[in-house]
Amino acid sequence: QLRLQESGPGLVKPSETLSLICSVSGGSTSSNSHIWGWIRQPPGKGLEWIGSIHYGGIIHYNPSLKSRSATSVDTSKNQLSLRLSSVTAADTAVYYCARQEIRVGVTWFDSWGQGTLVTVSS
Amino acid sequence: SFELTQPPSVSVSPGQTASITCSGDKLGYKYTCWYQQKPGQSPTLVMCEDTQRPSGIPERFSGSTSGNTATLTISGTQAVDEAAYYCQAWDGTTVVFGGGTKLTVL
Repeated sequence: QLRLQESGPGLVKPSETLSLICSVSGGSTSSNSHIWGWIRQPPGKGLEWIGSIHYGGIIHYNPSLKSRSATSVDTSKNQLSLRLSSVTAADTAVYYCARQEIRVGVTWFDSWGQGTLVTVSS
Repeated sequence: SFELTQPPSVSVSPGQTASITCSGDKLGYKYTCWYQQKPGQSPTLVMCEDTQRPSGIPERFSGSTSGNTATLTISGTQAVDEAAYYCQAWDGTTVVFGGGTKLTVL
């Protein structure tokens, strides 16, 4: 059974870089059938897609976050990583990693991690 | 990119039918997926490719699309269906979520 687990500091200072790891078990990050996404949810608000990556190197980012976002895959560790630079209080959110299925004309997130709360505060 | 618009809240009595809409420019040319999120939990996929229900999702959940509006319908709504529901679509490079609809089962 696929399991995703996010980890990283729960508190980040303003202007610094948020760094998260998503550990994948029960599945492979080098699967050709799937890509991997990051989604966040500010407290009490809706879902916001951050970006998605295929292990072969194809990456897409939310245009509104692209200049500050970087995601990568380490297939040897079966992990994903996310870095978000120059954070502000508006980046306070629960951050999720998720497996993403892609078909012609459609994509969906079929398995999610439990999420990790990151608070930006001095 | 594009935007998806959902009503902030929908109320329904137990046993009745709940309809949650999602509208967006050219949504009729894209597939819509739907997620259910209960408080303190991660989202769960409940519908995709407009009308396809993942395994394990009750038959009372159905999806449809007309023009630029997608609709998630819950027939015979139960108390356990009370949750936030999010629509999601993709234009080939960008994933967009709707703002979410809080379904209250009164």
